[in-house]
Amino acid sequence: SAVISQKPSRDICQRGTSLTIQCQVDSQVTMMFWYRQQPGQSLTLIATANQGSEATYESGFVIDKFPISRPNLTFSTLTVSNMSPEDSSIYLCSVYSGQGYYEQYFGPGTRLTVT
Amino acid sequence: AQRVTQPEKLLSVFKGAPVELKCNYSYSGSPELFWYVQYSRQRLQLLLRHISRESIKGFTADLNKGETSFHLKKPFAQEEDSAMYYCALSAGGTSYGKLTFGQGTILTVHP
Repeated sequence: SAVISQKPSRDICQRGTSLTIQCQVDSQVTMMFWYRQQPGQSLTLIATANQGSEATYESGFVIDKFPISRPNLTFSTLTVSNMSPEDSSIYLCSVYSGQGYYEQYFGPGTRLTVT
Repeated sequence: AQRVTQPEKLLSVFKGAPVELKCNYSYSGSPELFWYVQYSRQRLQLLLRHISRESIKGFTADLNKGETSFHLKKPFAQEEDSAMYYCALSAGGTSYGKLTFGQGTILTVHP
């Protein structure tokens, strides 16, 4: 199994500012992902955080808005840039263990409110 | 493009009653289907994976490719089953970890 922690757990930010969310895993994992859950909506994949290369973004998400770092196999950051109220969401980090039996784990989430 | 539909946003049953949470999907290939559950104030966790064909906490789910469905069932609901349930799809292969989620169903089991 993998235990994931995220910082901060929640934040209230002003429009136009940026917030960096950290994701720490207690074991080395190959694949890390960032998801977003907007109010009343389902989870949507933002990007795959690749170690040693640029993140791979899903349709509708761009690097300038959501820059991602993955400096090693246990850590990643997601930055939400130039925030607007529409960015108010829960942001979740997820890892896939890839160790034979499929197991995907999710972090506790970061609740972001943009005013 | 893949899509997952959970038609019921809310589902209420009484303890001991059978429960079925519906999930339909749209995908041209051979998907992998999952059920995830989120209990109150807990993180999202995997409940079932269709390939495993197992029963977890009394829940089962069968993949019906003809009807493109993956409904979650339990014959006798318990109060501790109250939670948010998400059906999710993966294209598999190199897409492991990339999940498409349904809208979720809030299950409430009354005493």
